[in-house]
Amino acid sequence: EAGVAQSPRYKIIEKRQSVAFWCNPISGHATLYWYQQILGQGPKLLIQFQNNGVVDDSQLPKDRFSAERLKGVDSTLKIQPAKLEDSAVYLCASSFKGSTEAFFGQGTRLTVV
Amino acid sequence: DAKTTQPPSMDCAEGRAANLPCNHSTISGNEYVYWYRQIHSQGPQYIIHGLKNNETNEMASLIITEDRKSSTLILPHATLRDTAVYYCIVRVGTGANNLFFGTGTRLTVIP
Repeated sequence: EAGVAQSPRYKIIEKRQSVAFWCNPISGHATLYWYQQILGQGPKLLIQFQNNGVVDDSQLPKDRFSAERLKGVDSTLKIQPAKLEDSAVYLCASSFKGSTEAFFGQGTRLTVV
Repeated sequence: DAKTTQPPSMDCAEGRAANLPCNHSTISGNEYVYWYRQIHSQGPQYIIHGLKNNETNEMASLIITEDRKSSTLILPHATLRDTAVYYCIVRVGTGANNLFFGTGTRLTVIP
């Protein structure tokens, strides 16, 4: 079974630039999550989708972060404009609706300089 | 969701059992205990979860005390590939949404 695919694996941008990350969840998984993991910390949920609808975006900094899952499958997370403190690994995860287990991708490591 | 306390790091000899403790003294009756781990440069991986009873699967065993205020994850025969950060998470219900990871325990398996 293919896992959660994310791209790119690494990205370096200058502050105030824009960046987008892509996630392809496991086939059939209705629930998709984006997490942010700052170095030395555990992952923190940014947003959760159920199919193409947002379930929880309470911790998403909406002034600069946006995410969409238009067809209920792939998802993109965008940061515009980026700040130095956005340097982190951005993890995408997916699960069956109501499932106990979430499957995570390898993440995208973002460095803002 | 209740907070958890874990030691920041532990070592374990290869082939021996690794016992990772977690304190969750403020856990409420409808909160489950979950364990995930994160190997370097990878995303977190689900290990096991439980409510009251001890649980075992192909990866590990979960021992929850009778008062549910603490639990222990047991890796029966640790291998070098088990070196990772282990997260104990307490949350309501059995869904995978909004997992609060904390900082976890960094387990190093020593040859």
